[in-house]
Amino acid sequence: DVKVTQSSRYLVKRTGEKVFLECVQDMDHENMFWYRQDPGLGLRLIYFSYDVKMKEKGDIPEGYSVSREKKERFSLILESASTNQTSMYLCASSRGAGRTGELFFGEGSRLTVL
Amino acid sequence: GNSVTQMEGPVTLSEEAFLTINCTYTATGYPSLFWYVQYPGEGLQLLLKATKADDKGSNKGFEATYRKETTSFHLEKGSVQVSDSAVYFCALAAGGTSYGKLTFGQGTILTVHP
Repeated sequence: DVKVTQSSRYLVKRTGEKVFLECVQDMDHENMFWYRQDPGLGLRLIYFSYDVKMKEKGDIPEGYSVSREKKERFSLILESASTNQTSMYLCASSRGAGRTGELFFGEGSRLTVL
Repeated sequence: GNSVTQMEGPVTLSEEAFLTINCTYTATGYPSLFWYVQYPGEGLQLLLKATKADDKGSNKGFEATYRKETTSFHLEKGSVQVSDSAVYFCALAAGGTSYGKLTFGQGTILTVHP
C-alpha cells in the first residue's frame, strides 16, 4: 500500500521555537509538497520540491523553509514559530512533471503554537 | 492567477438525497480539474478528475463534468450515504509543466444523516 507518512500528528510548541515537520513517501515520487489547511481557506501551497535539493516557493512561503536531502524525505521548518502558524499541515507527493495532478497525501500534522 | 471557488457550506442532507456541490474556476490555458475528498481524521484522496473540456469524471457514484463555457466542475451524486460525510475540495492543475501543483478551493463540509 503506497504511503505518505508525516512524523507527528499533533504538536504543541511555544512562540519562537524552531519546529520541524517531517514527511516520508515510499512511492519513489519526484515531487513533494507542503500545504497548510485552514477552515474557509482550503489548502494553500507553502513550498514544493521537484527533485532532491530543489525547492520552489508556493503561495505562502513567508516564515517557512524546507529541506530535501533525499528523494523520499521532505521537511518543513518553522524557524521561529508564531501563533498565526497554528494550522493543519499536509504533505503530499506526486510522480514526475506534467499535469496528472494526482497527489498522495499524508494524514496531516496539527500544529498549535502558544 | 488561478483560483477555485466552491459553494459555501456546510451542506447537510438526509440519506438517499441528491447532492450537488458547485465549483467554478479561473485559469489561463487549459487546466485539469479534480475533486478530492477528506474523510474524518484522514488525508485528502483523489475522488475523480477530468483533463479536458466535456470530459466527465466519475467514481463511487460521484460525477463531475468539465464545462469550459461556464468554467465549472460541479460535483453530483444521485443518492448520498452516511459514509459520504466528509470535506470535498475542488482543485485545478494549470496547463503546461506544473509538477502537479494544485490550486484548491476552500472546501465544502458534507454531513449526511440517516
